[in-house]
Amino acid sequence: KQEVTQIPAALSVPEGENLVLNCSFTDSAIYNLQWFRQDPGKGLTSLLLIQSSQREQTSGRLNASLDKSSGRSTLYIAASQPGDSATYLCAVRLSFVNSGYELNFGKGTSLLVTP
Amino acid sequence: EAQVTQNPRYLITVTGKKLTVTCSQNMNHEYMSWYRQDPGLGLRQIYYSMNVEVTDKGDVPEGYKVSRKEKRNFPLILESPSPNQTSLYFCASSSTGQGRYNEQFFGPGTRLTVL
Repeated sequence: KQEVTQIPAALSVPEGENLVLNCSFTDSAIYNLQWFRQDPGKGLTSLLLIQSSQREQTSGRLNASLDKSSGRSTLYIAASQPGDSATYLCAVRLSFVNSGYELNFGKGTSLLVTP
Repeated sequence: EAQVTQNPRYLITVTGKKLTVTCSQNMNHEYMSWYRQDPGLGLRQIYYSMNVEVTDKGDVPEGYKVSRKEKRNFPLILESPSPNQTSLYFCASSSTGQGRYNEQFFGPGTRLTVL
């Protein structure tokens, strides 16, 4: 069973800082990795998806990297804003042959960006 | 607008009273699934469906049923709900194609309380 760990569990930073959220996974035979954002009491919004053959993906102020061999991904948020405050979830899908499309989720990093 | 919808968004019920949570997607996705999210446990998959009339168990299927009679709909059925099924439920869908099309989209969530 794929174990996904996210560190730190919670993070508080002042507005404007650049920050890095970490995700690690135990089985390197992944198909892709997806980063989500979850606002309190709300659903999951997909931020970035990285295929196993890719090293990084970028969307605006967000950059996600993937090092499959070491079982790690990072989500870099540049110039953080109070509106970035949310829980960020990392989810890994194992290779298609092994397990279909199930996403294995980490428990998330709760981010607070203070004005 | 491409989206996954769930109804109801909030539900309070009593032990043993059958209920159905509906899920619908308008993206013509083949794959659909249900997750539950609990504090400290993260998101866990309940059931999934690879296409019409094809369903399979996820990690925590006990006490739940699903059906997939149409491509766009994937209802979650609790025949006899119990308090340990109090949770936040998410429906998700994705295409089964390559690359970007594997991105999973999530509904807004259904918060269920079983008394």
